[in-house]
Amino acid sequence: AQSVAQPEDQVNVAEGNPLTVKCTYSVSGNPYLFWYVQYPNRGLQFLLKYITGDNLVKGSYGFEAEFNKSQTSFHLKKPSALVSDSALYFCAVISGFQKLVFGTGTRLLVSP
Amino acid sequence: ETGVTQTPRHLVMGMTNKKSLKCEQHLGHNAMYWYKQSAKKPLELMFVYNFKEQTENNSVPSRFSPECPNSSHLFLHLHTLQPEDSALYLCASSQDQVGAGNSPLHFGNGTRLTVT
Repeated sequence: AQSVAQPEDQVNVAEGNPLTVKCTYSVSGNPYLFWYVQYPNRGLQFLLKYITGDNLVKGSYGFEAEFNKSQTSFHLKKPSALVSDSALYFCAVISGFQKLVFGTGTRLLVSP
Repeated sequence: ETGVTQTPRHLVMGMTNKKSLKCEQHLGHNAMYWYKQSAKKPLELMFVYNFKEQTENNSVPSRFSPECPNSSHLFLHLHTLQPEDSALYLCASSQDQVGAGNSPLHFGNGTRLTVT
């Protein structure tokens, strides 16, 4: 069965510092991986996806994610955090024609 | 504006009430979804419609009844709900059903449902 783990309930970072939100996955075939962000009182917004090709994927708002097959990870990164990046971040994975599976989410808090 | 509109934004209902949630997408997508979001839990897929046809019912209790009259509209009819059904209900759409083209999902802002 497919699964996604986001090991941190919350990540705290100071504005201007780099941020990383962790995600690991388990699938039986080739994974397709996604990151979504949810701001307060809003639905989820698509940030970026990995399907194939370059392991470093660039997305919206300056975010990027690195696919690491050997570590089965897809961590979300940003070189310089903004207070406005504070939100709930979800990793998701799908393989083949199975269901898209979401993680439990990581709350990112960027302090001024 | 997300391109996916959900109404109402908030709903409080008693356990004996009947109410409906509405979702409309303006993106020309072919697939629509209902998800349930509860605190500290992964998003739960409830129903999937592709070209107006239901392609997935993820073991959802019959007190939740979906309806998809066309590719742009999706409803979730609610009847005799339980307090544990209180959650944020999210509608989403995608160009193709996820798993076929791996199109990203576009979500509405959700309906916050409270069952008293």
